[in-house]
Amino acid sequence: QVQLQGSGPRLVKPSQTLSLTCNVSMSGGRYHWSWIRQPAGKGLEWIGRFHASGDTNLNPSLKSRVTMFGDTSKNQFFLNLRSVTAADTAVYYCVSRNGDPSFFDFWGQGILVTVSS
Amino acid sequence: SYVLTQPPSVSVAPGKTAMITCGGTNFGTKSVSWYQQKPGQAPVLVIYFDSDRPSGIPDRFSGSISGTTATLTISRVEAGDEADYYCQEWNSDTDLYVFGTGTTVTVL
Repeated sequence: QVQLQGSGPRLVKPSQTLSLTCNVSMSGGRYHWSWIRQPAGKGLEWIGRFHASGDTNLNPSLKSRVTMFGDTSKNQFFLNLRSVTAADTAVYYCVSRNGDPSFFDFWGQGILVTVSS
Repeated sequence: SYVLTQPPSVSVAPGKTAMITCGGTNFGTKSVSWYQQKPGQAPVLVIYFDSDRPSGIPDRFSGSISGTTATLTISRVEAGDEADYYCQEWNSDTDLYVFGTGTTVTVL
């Protein structure tokens, strides 16, 4: 059972960078970690995926503003979302998968990040 | 942008069957999963690889694909099944993920 714990500022000002960290209980060569977000009362949106090999894959709609990376030695992976607006206010989930990348089987508890001045 | 279309809501009586559809393009080269999300909680995987169930998910939950429509079927519905349900597609050609618009299941 993989455990994930996200952390980071809960309030970010418009135009600034949202930075989140996910601490995971397990890592290794077959693990993928993704960030997925959900605005209040709305659906889920995949942001991007980081693989233990260092490869990343990002949602084309967010790609220009997103950096995603990890430190497998510390069992951590990170999200940076630049130039945020109120539309980026959401619960951000860090999610992991060991093996086939087609689905997400372990989810963190979610972090509500609000973009407001 | 590309989306997977789900009905906003489905209502079902206890003991009956709920069917939630997910409309997209041809699912032939893609894999579909389904998630259950209760209020204030993270989503939980209930179906993967179109029709497989993770351990711990009751066999009342089943998934199927027909052409451009994926379907989650919940048999013998219980009050505890009341939740939002999301389909999710992974395209192995593009290595991209898309979620459905979500369906709220209400148990009458």
